[in-house]
Amino acid sequence: QVQLLESGPGLVKPSETLSLTCTVSGDSIRSYYWSWIRQPPGKGLEWIGYIYFRGSTNYNPSLKSRVTISMDTSKNQFSLNLNSVTAADTAMYYCARVSDAYNPMTYFDYWGRGALVTVSA
Amino acid sequence: DIQMTQSPSTLSASVGDRVTITCRASQSISIWLAWYQQKPGKAPKLLIYRASSLRSGVPSRFSGSGSGTDFTLTISSLQPDDFATYYCQQYNFDPPITFGPGTKVDIK
Repeated sequence: QVQLLESGPGLVKPSETLSLTCTVSGDSIRSYYWSWIRQPPGKGLEWIGYIYFRGSTNYNPSLKSRVTISMDTSKNQFSLNLNSVTAADTAMYYCARVSDAYNPMTYFDYWGRGALVTVSA
Repeated sequence: DIQMTQSPSTLSASVGDRVTITCRASQSISIWLAWYQQKPGKAPKLLIYRASSLRSGVPSRFSGSGSGTDFTLTISSLQPDDFATYYCQQYNFDPPITFGPGTKVDIK
């Protein structure tokens, strides 16, 4: 059974960098594309971007200038860095597996439980 | 970007009711649409992909239909476990992937 678990600080100061890690178990991170998705409190879902183990990434244009997604295959983990955060970046951050091993633009079949990150001084 | 809309935003229904949620895309996305169920404090769960394909393990009372710009999610007989928020998601080739704003199904 594929499981994903997000980890990282729950509180980040404005203008600083939000950093989260997703640890994958039950599957090799080399086998699929992996994504980050966020959800502000009481609001809808926003796709942040994806990564593939060969280094391929793609980001939502609305966040592209501030986002980096990276991968550590030795730990079966991938990470999210979002810099210059503001209160608008307060959200539940989910990591998810892209269902198709060959096409990153598809749906998400496994999700982590989410990590709430609050941006506040 | 492809914009997704859903209607209604909230739906009040009773156990046993037939429920239909509509999702509309701002341009044609063929059949590249998924539906998710989300309960409070939980991650979304995939229900349907490719507009009408039921994910393994999802009850058969859930069904999806549509193509192009107009899609529907139907719950044939609403069960107590189905009270949740439902999101559609398009994945038509080009990024970004986008989601609808959600439809909350609550108890009448």
